[in-house]
Amino acid sequence: QVQLVESGGGVVQPGRSLRLSCAASGFTFSSYTMHWVRQAPGKGLEWVAAIAYDGSNKFYADSVKGRFILSRDNSKNTLYLQMNSLRGEDTAVYYCARDYLNHWFDPWGQGTLVTVSS
Amino acid sequence: EIMLTQSPATLSLSPGERATLSCRASQSVSNYLGWYQQKPGQAPRLLIYDASNRATGIPARFSGSGSGADFTLTISGLEPEDFAVYYCQQRSSWPLTFGGGTKVEIK
Repeated sequence: QVQLVESGGGVVQPGRSLRLSCAASGFTFSSYTMHWVRQAPGKGLEWVAAIAYDGSNKFYADSVKGRFILSRDNSKNTLYLQMNSLRGEDTAVYYCARDYLNHWFDPWGQGTLVTVSS
Repeated sequence: EIMLTQSPATLSLSPGERATLSCRASQSVSNYLGWYQQKPGQAPRLLIYDASNRATGIPARFSGSGSGADFTLTISGLEPEDFAVYYCQQRSSWPLTFGGGTKVEIK
């Protein structure tokens, strides 16, 4: 079955970097746009970034533009989110999600928690 | 950026009752509006896409309606597993945005 497994979360100091990974299985990863969506503790959902199936196009939320870099390795069925210059407001559970019928999210991974704190 | 406003913030109902959730967009999104359900400690799940299409495996008691800027998610008879937070999302334009959520709680 379709499975998305995020990893790489943890506690990091403000200004530092962290790289998240999302391992995909059960579908042809190289055929799908992929997304990251985050959720701050006790808050709602915020779309973060998207990358086309071949990596040719990338879109970012203004809140992360210039600090986060999205990439993918289709040979490894893996999505990455390089997060630089981290801030306290980046603290959240980060979910990867597969694109469904042009920018719906289905399914989602279980999420990985990123905590930015000194 | 298109803003989505959900109301009410909290809906207190009993099992078997009908739930009506609203999502209003700051500008027209045509029918490019979807709904997600999130239970505590779990990832969200897609329920409805393109305003009125149920996603795979979603029970018929969930229905969506609306177009333009006003949308409704209806749960025709609440089951115990339906008590959760519901989010709307638009895909009409970048950035993709979500509403703030409606919590459906047991009365």
